[in-house]
Amino acid sequence: EAGVVQSPRYKIIEKKQPVAFWCNPISGHNTLYWYRQNLGQGPELLIRYENEEAVDDSQLPKDRFSAERLKGVDSTLKIQPAELGDSAVYLCASSGTTAWTDTQYFGPGTRLTVL
Amino acid sequence: ELKVEQNPLFLSMQEGKNYTIYCNYSTTSDRLYWYRQDPGKSLESLFVLLSNGAVKQEGRLMASLDTKARLSTLHITAAVHDLSATYFCAVDKDSNYQLIWGAGTKLIIKP
Repeated sequence: EAGVVQSPRYKIIEKKQPVAFWCNPISGHNTLYWYRQNLGQGPELLIRYENEEAVDDSQLPKDRFSAERLKGVDSTLKIQPAELGDSAVYLCASSGTTAWTDTQYFGPGTRLTVL
Repeated sequence: ELKVEQNPLFLSMQEGKNYTIYCNYSTTSDRLYWYRQDPGKSLESLFVLLSNGAVKQEGRLMASLDTKARLSTLHITAAVHDLSATYFCAVDKDSNYQLIWGAGTKLIIKP
C-alpha cells in the first residue's frame, strides 16, 4: 500500500514569492492534516480536513496561507507571499481507516527555505 | 491550554544500556501517541496508548501510560545503534484528533 505522497521534497524561494505544496493521502483516508515542523521542534497543526471540509484551521495564518482539498482526496497548501520565518518542513498526514485510534500517517515532508 | 513536555530533550547512551524517556502533559486526554523520526525523514508511528495502565511493546521499546499522573514513558531495553532517532510523544486534545506534540527527544546510541 502506498504511503502519503508529498511534492516537492525541497523548495528554495526568495521572500515575497509564492509557493505551493501538494499532498496525496493514503487511499481511503478521509482525514488529512497539514503540519509545520520547525527545526528541533514537534509538528504544529495548520489545518485538518474531513473529506472536503476544513474542520480545524484555527492555527492557519490566513493572511498568507491557504489550503484546499478538492474532491476530498489530494490537497494543496499555498503560501503567498512567503516570509523568512516560513522556512520549515511542511508535513502532510492522513488517517481514517482505524476508527478509534485514528493513527496519523505522515508523508516525507517538503523542506522549504525562504531566502 | 494543553502542554506536552518531554525529557530529556537529548540523550546519548551506550549500546546495551537501558533508559527511559518521559512525556508529561497538562490536561486530561484519552489518547497518547509515540512516533519516531530519523534525520531528514518523516514521522513513523510506534505506539498508540488508549487507557490508564496501557502498556505496549515492540522489540526493545516499551511504552506505558498513567493517565492519573498524566505521564507516559518510553523505555528502551539493551539499546542498539539502530534505535538512534528523535522520539516524539503527542497527546490528543479534546479527543478530536488534534495532536499536541512534545519537542522530541533526540537519542544517540553509541556502538
